[in-house]
Amino acid sequence: GAGVSQSPSNKVTEKGKDVELRCDPISGHTALYWYRQSLGQGLEFLIYFQGNSAPDKSGLPSDRFSAERTGGSVSTLTIQRTQQEDSAVYLCASSKDRGRNTGELFFGEGSRLTVL
Amino acid sequence: AQSVTQLGSHVSVSEGALVLLRCNYSSSVPPYLFWYVQYPNQGLQLLLKYTSAATLVKGINGFEAEFKKSETSFHLTKPSAHMSDAAEYFCAVSVSGGSYIPTFGRGTSLIVHP
Repeated sequence: GAGVSQSPSNKVTEKGKDVELRCDPISGHTALYWYRQSLGQGLEFLIYFQGNSAPDKSGLPSDRFSAERTGGSVSTLTIQRTQQEDSAVYLCASSKDRGRNTGELFFGEGSRLTVL
Repeated sequence: AQSVTQLGSHVSVSEGALVLLRCNYSSSVPPYLFWYVQYPNQGLQLLLKYTSAATLVKGINGFEAEFKKSETSFHLTKPSAHMSDAAEYFCAVSVSGGSYIPTFGRGTSLIVHP
């Protein structure tokens, strides 16, 4: 597709379950970002990939959160043993080579996670 | 580290009135500044960006913003609000020392009354 694609768009899970969120970036975009959007909190940076490497994962809130990227394309964000405070919209964004891009991101529509 | 402060979580205007959304940034090095808009149930899309060229930046849908270094501000304006402008607006800053990873403000919800 032409834009950033995220799935699922909505996920309802029970506390303690694991969830996987998927992001398919724009073709040719080498940089990929995950942000978390909570009500009234703005966007919270989680992790950044350049290719398949994650040079900055400083925003991951705990060791229950992990992410990987394969083939320089699709990324998966995994949350283990979900807690109610994990409920949020998880946004993925991609961009062209970071050095030339100066921070302009293209966002997907997000995955809304609700933990009961 | 860089940061962004958006003054006012909600701004309400009448249709046809001036829109002014405030953004102040903090950065120890020259910043790149952005405004993004998020319509309900959609992802963010870029409205405009400042990357050290002209200080007055024009974006889509009639919006513009002015970079004022002395005031560390990058306020977003539009002369005449339209109902379709109702959305959430985010200011963001990125710097070379921060690997160009954008830091976002908390957002301002623009409400437009008929």
